[in-house]
Formats: sequence, structure tokens, C-alpha cells
Amino acid sequence: EVQLVESGGGLVQPGGSLRLSCAASGFMFNSRWMHWVRQAPGKGLEWVSRIKTDGRTTTYADFVKGRFTISRDNARNTLYLQMNSLRAEDTAVYHCTEDVRGVTTANWGQGTLVTVSS
Amino acid sequence: SALTQPASVSGSPGQSITISCTGTNSDIGGYNYVSWHQHHPGKAPKLMIYDVNNRPSGVSDRFSGSKSGDTASLTISGLQAEDEADYYCSSYTSSGTVVFGGGTKLTVL
Repeated sequence: EVQLVESGGGLVQPGGSLRLSCAASGFMFNSRWMHWVRQAPGKGLEWVSRIKTDGRTTTYADFVKGRFTISRDNARNTLYLQMNSLRAEDTAVYHCTEDVRGVTTANWGQGTLVTVSS
Repeated sequence: SALTQPASVSGSPGQSITISCTGTNSDIGGYNYVSWHQHHPGKAPKLMIYDVNNRPSGVSDRFSGSKSGDTASLTISGLQAEDEADYYCSSYTSSGTVVFGGGTKLTVL
């Protein structure tokens, strides 16, 4: 059974940084593209970033380019999202998801809440 | 920008409903990579349809998808109480990103 468990969320001040992790199990992690998708309170789902199987190809939504960095450790079956220069509008539940081809989001984790506030 | 979905739809048990999702030729119109996701608040979203009209294993055949031009549709037949949820479309884009719709709240009357 595919399991994706996010961690690392919390309260951070505007301009601060946070690193999210996603522990994967139940599938061949190094054969899947991985994505981060977020949902702000009362809002819809919003795609953030994706990373290819080998970690060499990454793509970002315009609103996080230059501030967020996605990475992965295939030896540890773990996905990361380094978030810098955080803004109030980055407040959301962040989900990690996976798929084989990098074109959709198949299995999802429950998410971790990031709150950016002073 | 986000794909366009109706904010809400409703139907009675046993009826059929259709949710539309409109994009552009840079996303829905350009690729057969449209997906639909069901989200019960507080739970992890669930993939219901991928590649326009394919169901993952375990998803009821009451759920079906289609596409015409820049617009995709999700149809749920034989509505059941447990279908009440938020539904999101998504598409791969020419920029190598994924874009979601704004979401549609389905109410089963």
C-alpha cells in the first residue's frame, strides 16, 4: 500500500524558512515523479512543484520560483521542500503526491500545515 | 491560471451529474492528461480519473470522464450520499507544470 507521510510544518514568521519532508513507502520511490500540492484555508488545490525520478529535473509554479526548492533522497525514500522567504499567502496544508509520468498526481499524503504569521 | 470549474453542483440520489472544467490549448486542449480528484475535507484527495477517461483500480465505474477541445467533463451516475465531496480537475501544461481547477462542491440532496 502506498503511504506518503508529510512532516515539518508549523508556525513561521514572514520572511522565514521551513523545510518539509515526505516519507514514502509501499512503492518504488526512485521510479516515481514526486509533487508538492498545497491548499490554503478555504481555497482549492494548487500545484507547487515536481521532481523527476533521478532528481535532475525540477519544475515550479511561478509563485514559488526562486523561493522554494524541491529535492529528493532516493536512498532514504524521502521528498523535501525547502521554503525560503515565506509570505502570509504561503499559509496552507502542503501535500506530497506521486505519479509515474510527472503529468498528474496519483496517491496523496494527508498533508502538513504551514502557517506564516507574525 | 487555474482551470475553470463551476463552484457547486447538486443532484439527488440515483441521478447523474456532470462537472465541467475549461482550460486552454496550452493545457486541456493540448494534452490528454486531464485528471479528476475527489476530496473529502480533512482527508487526502483521491484520484478518480486520469488521462481524460481512465479509472484507477478500485474506483467505481459510476465515474467517467471525457474531453472536447479545451473542456473536460466528469460525470457521476447513480449518485450516492458518499459522493458528496469537492471535485478538482487538473491538467498537464505546455510549461511542464500541472494546473488545477478551482474546485466544485458536489451536494447530494
